[in-house]
Amino acid sequence: DAKTTQPNSMESNEEEPVHLPCNHSTISGTDYIHWYRQLPSQGPEYVIHGLTSNVNNRMASLAIAEDRKSSTLILHRATLRDAAVYYCILRNTGTASKLTFGTGTRLQVTL
Amino acid sequence: ETGVTQTPRHLVMGMTNKKSLKCEQHLGHNAMYWYKQSAKKPLELMFVYNFKEQTENNSVPSRFSPECPNSSHLFLHLHTLQPEDSALYLCASSLNPEGVVEKLFFGSGTQLSVL
Repeated sequence: DAKTTQPNSMESNEEEPVHLPCNHSTISGTDYIHWYRQLPSQGPEYVIHGLTSNVNNRMASLAIAEDRKSSTLILHRATLRDAAVYYCILRNTGTASKLTFGTGTRLQVTL
Repeated sequence: ETGVTQTPRHLVMGMTNKKSLKCEQHLGHNAMYWYKQSAKKPLELMFVYNFKEQTENNSVPSRFSPECPNSSHLFLHLHTLQPEDSALYLCASSLNPEGVVEKLFFGSGTQLSVL
């Protein structure tokens, strides 16, 4: 299975944009890029997903490199409630049922 | 509120006890999952059920016994656990486990301590 690499931790100031990177250099053409986040004392929650084009939703934006070997989750204005562990995950039709989480990036947001 | 409810939120049990974790989803989903999250380790998929049938068992020891009586309910029966089984156990559901763009909805988990 294609793997993802994320920084262990990042810090951001409140009200500022946050760019969370993910490297997936062995991504295949059928792999979708998914992002989940896990707030303290909660289960993970879906954030966004994409295949080739950049995507926007009410929570975040996903920027996918042209060669698809990396992607960036963008939180446009971080709040204290965005402090969480963010997971970048690849899914394809062969392993769709086995959503596999890595160690993710722990985002700290400070005033 | 994710629509996936897990009970109890916390559980302490001895190694000789038998207990059960319960998960219920109110989303009309067909697939349910158990994940284990140990301290400082990634989430590990344990079991997947699709339309009440187990489709994935990720080499989980037999002291963990899942049960899925219908698409809305999922149980994890525990017996003769070890202290290393102490972890956060998370339940999730989705509409279709084979859907590559399907979202998983997670409960808040049961924090289990085995003494």
